[in-house]
Amino acid sequence: LAKTTQPISMDSYEGQEVNITCSHNNIATNDYITWYQQFPSQGPRFIIQGYKTKVTNEVASLFIPADRKSSTLSLPRVSLSDTAVYYCLVVYGGATNKLIFGTGTLLAVQP
Amino acid sequence: DTEVTQTPKHLVMGMTNKKSLKCEQHMGHRAMYWYKQKAKKPPELMFVYSYEKLSINESVPSRFSPECPNSSLLNLHLHALQPEDSALYLCASSQEDRTYTGELFFGEGSRLTVL
Repeated sequence: LAKTTQPISMDSYEGQEVNITCSHNNIATNDYITWYQQFPSQGPRFIIQGYKTKVTNEVASLFIPADRKSSTLSLPRVSLSDTAVYYCLVVYGGATNKLIFGTGTLLAVQP
Repeated sequence: DTEVTQTPKHLVMGMTNKKSLKCEQHMGHRAMYWYKQKAKKPPELMFVYSYEKLSINESVPSRFSPECPNSSLLNLHLHALQPEDSALYLCASSQEDRTYTGELFFGEGSRLTVL
């Protein structure tokens, strides 16, 4: 049974780097991992995606180890506006009907 | 235009009412989705349309009826709902070739309250 789990919450301070992990034990070789940010009463917003090694864009990095049983979203130098819920989304088996959101991590950034 | 627009933003309805949620995108995406999200929970997939045809129904009760009139529009018709159906309903779209990577564009959602 595909299951995607994350820590419930994390605390950080402005200017720190934050790493949020996602566990996805049954992921296959070509299954993608995508991360989203969600503010209260808004839709999730795409942050980054990948399926192996490391991906970096202007706002985040995504690290995927060789066994691919987990992935880590890295947010450099967070600010107060980064306080949100972060979800990983795994597309198991490349099929839309196995699009499984993780349990979500509430990141609270303090001054 | 990189937006998915959902209307209404808020909807309150009784259990005997019939109402509809609407979603529109003009990004040329050919896959559209309805998700349901309860408080403090991740979004749960309800329906997927691909090229205007229903491709996925995640065993959703028949009191929810989706419709895709054209490639830009997606509706969710609501009838005889229960209070436990109160939630944030999210519409999303994706390029067909991005479906398998999970790169979805979400609307702001419609907050539904069933009395």
